[in-house]
Amino acid sequence: DAKTTQPPSMDCAEGRAANLPCNHSTISGNEYVYWYRQIHSQGPQYIIHGLKNNETNEMASLIITEDRKSSTLILPHATLRDTAVYYCIVRPLGDPGTYKYIFGTGTRLKVLA
Amino acid sequence: DAGVIQSPRHEVTEMGQEVTLRCKPISGHDYLFWYRQTMMRGLELLIYFNNNVPIDDSGMPEDRFSAKMPNASFSTLKIQPSEPRDSAVYFCASSLNLDRVNIYGYTFGSGTRLTVV
Repeated sequence: DAKTTQPPSMDCAEGRAANLPCNHSTISGNEYVYWYRQIHSQGPQYIIHGLKNNETNEMASLIITEDRKSSTLILPHATLRDTAVYYCIVRPLGDPGTYKYIFGTGTRLKVLA
Repeated sequence: DAGVIQSPRHEVTEMGQEVTLRCKPISGHDYLFWYRQTMMRGLELLIYFNNNVPIDDSGMPEDRFSAKMPNASFSTLKIQPSEPRDSAVYFCASSLNLDRVNIYGYTFGSGTRLTVV
């Protein structure tokens, strides 16, 4: 599996956009970029995923560079409830058992009031 | 849907005792995963099931760990005998089948915090 690199921690002011970067320079052509987050004392929560086009859903936006070697998760208006550890994961599309999610250490985002 | 339900939320037991963790996946999900999370090792996949059948248990740390899925709505993770180093948060996750899993991702339960003293 391709490895990802994320900053260990970030702060963001409440109401501002939170931009969480992820480097995945060895990503393969068939690997998607997934983002999960884990709020304290809860299980990880799926946020969004994409292959090469930018994606947006009700939770966030995902911007993937043209060379696919990095991506940015954007929380457009961060709230205190967005304080969590954010995981960037790359894996191929396919059997969820064969292509397991490998969770790294993630980025600990703290949203400040 | 109530999501993935795990019980108990917290478990404190003495070393050497048997511990059973329980999981009810989301109805209709074909895959079930057991993860363990510690500060030192992060989130580790222990075992996963597909249609109630264990497919890959290579992440199970020792023979003291066993998992079963007797039906589509219930799974257990058992540790016998338990040791202090088993202290961790254990998560269960379920997923839709191959065709749709990559839209919804995994759904995790709230976890069981196990403390072995």
